[in-house]
Amino acid sequence: DAKTTQPNSMESNEEEPVHLPCNHSTISGTDYIHWYRQLPSQGPEYVIHGLTSNVNNRMASLAIAEDRKSSTLILHRATLRDAAVYYCILTSNAGNMLTFGGGTRLMVKP
Amino acid sequence: DTAVSQTPKYLVTQMGNDKSIKCEQNLGHDTMYWYKQDSKKFLKIMFSYNNKELIINETVPNRFSPKSPDKAHLNLHINSLELGDSAVYFCASSVYSGPLSGEQYFGPGTRLTVT
Repeated sequence: DAKTTQPNSMESNEEEPVHLPCNHSTISGTDYIHWYRQLPSQGPEYVIHGLTSNVNNRMASLAIAEDRKSSTLILHRATLRDAAVYYCILTSNAGNMLTFGGGTRLMVKP
Repeated sequence: DTAVSQTPKYLVTQMGNDKSIKCEQNLGHDTMYWYKQDSKKFLKIMFSYNNKELIINETVPNRFSPKSPDKAHLNLHINSLELGDSAVYFCASSVYSGPLSGEQYFGPGTRLTVT
């Protein structure tokens, strides 16, 4: 499976936008880009996913680079509840199992 | 209603014992999974189970055996527990298998402590 690289941690102020980057330079043409987050003492929570085009949902937006070698999860207005570890994950055409890396720990300051 | 539930939430047991963790999903999904999160917080897939087809992750010791009595349940049985089995175990489910299975719903986790 192609690997992803994310910063270990990021800080944001409450009610400001947050851009969480992810590099996946070895992504293949059929790999989907998924984002999950894990709040403290909870199971991972699906956030968003995409293939080539940018995607929006009620939780976040996903901006995918034209060459697909990187992507950015955008939280439009961070809240304290958004403090979590965010994981960028690639899923291959052949498999259905998520491979989690270290993720980015997002800290939100009031 | 809880979409994916696990019991027990906490499990403390001694080395050498055999234990089971239960998982149930009420989402009508066809595919279920078990993940392990170790003390360093890395989440690793253990098994995937789709319509009675089990996909085994080869790094999982054969002391771990998933059992699916029906599509809504995937239990994890662990034989001869070892200290290194201490971790949080998450069950998950998804509508699809294959590349569209990335949207998975996770349970709250079971914290297993082996003493």
